[in-house]
Amino acid sequence: DSGVTQTPKHLITATGQRVTLRCSPRSGDLSVYWYQQSLDQGLQFLIQYYNGEERAKGNILERFSAQQFPDLHSELNLSSLELGDSALYFCASNPVVDANYGYTFGSGTRLTVV
Amino acid sequence: GDSVTQMEGPVTLSEEAFLTINCTYTATGYPSLFWYVQYPGEGLQLLLKATKADDKGSNKGFEATYRKETTSFHLEKGSVQVSDSAVYFCALSDYSGAGSYQLTFGKGTKLSVIP
Repeated sequence: DSGVTQTPKHLITATGQRVTLRCSPRSGDLSVYWYQQSLDQGLQFLIQYYNGEERAKGNILERFSAQQFPDLHSELNLSSLELGDSALYFCASNPVVDANYGYTFGSGTRLTVV
Repeated sequence: GDSVTQMEGPVTLSEEAFLTINCTYTATGYPSLFWYVQYPGEGLQLLLKATKADDKGSNKGFEATYRKETTSFHLEKGSVQVSDSAVYFCALSDYSGAGSYQLTFGKGTKLSVIP
């Protein structure tokens, strides 16, 4: 157990629907990162939050949004889902904004859009 | 932007063989470099890291040296075991402005070790 908790583990939904993925960072970690992992694109950075504020955006679609709450858990909202959004979505956390720190990853949410 | 290139897999080795997974990077600054490992059905785990040129990261028999002159961070292990079968990702820290860093990952190399 890495200490980063992601729910649900699996999600199957239809095209056009909206889903919410949840992440609880490791105790004491203030930064949360969201990544999308697909076979063709590999691991793509989506968005970062630090202590409740958005810090950086990567290749995140406009249909996707995220937030970090006062208790530091984060949610990734995916709307108007398309077949191509099927992927593994990982959350990671670390305690500080520092280039030398690695991340602690959760075990991911596997999203299947049918 | 910054990028990471890893050797394509899959790589299949016999137990106790020597492992090398090549990784090169392109970066405008001086990134920290990382290797992560992903076992089937799990998230990524930090394997080792190096934060400056000529640093050697090591863990569980794996090693990698930060070579600035060749912009490389190759992963090596002298004698692999079946339990090392996993996907290995090379990554660098990427400055994105406003004091923030993210990890940029290579596409991963799948290693299978057969008894």
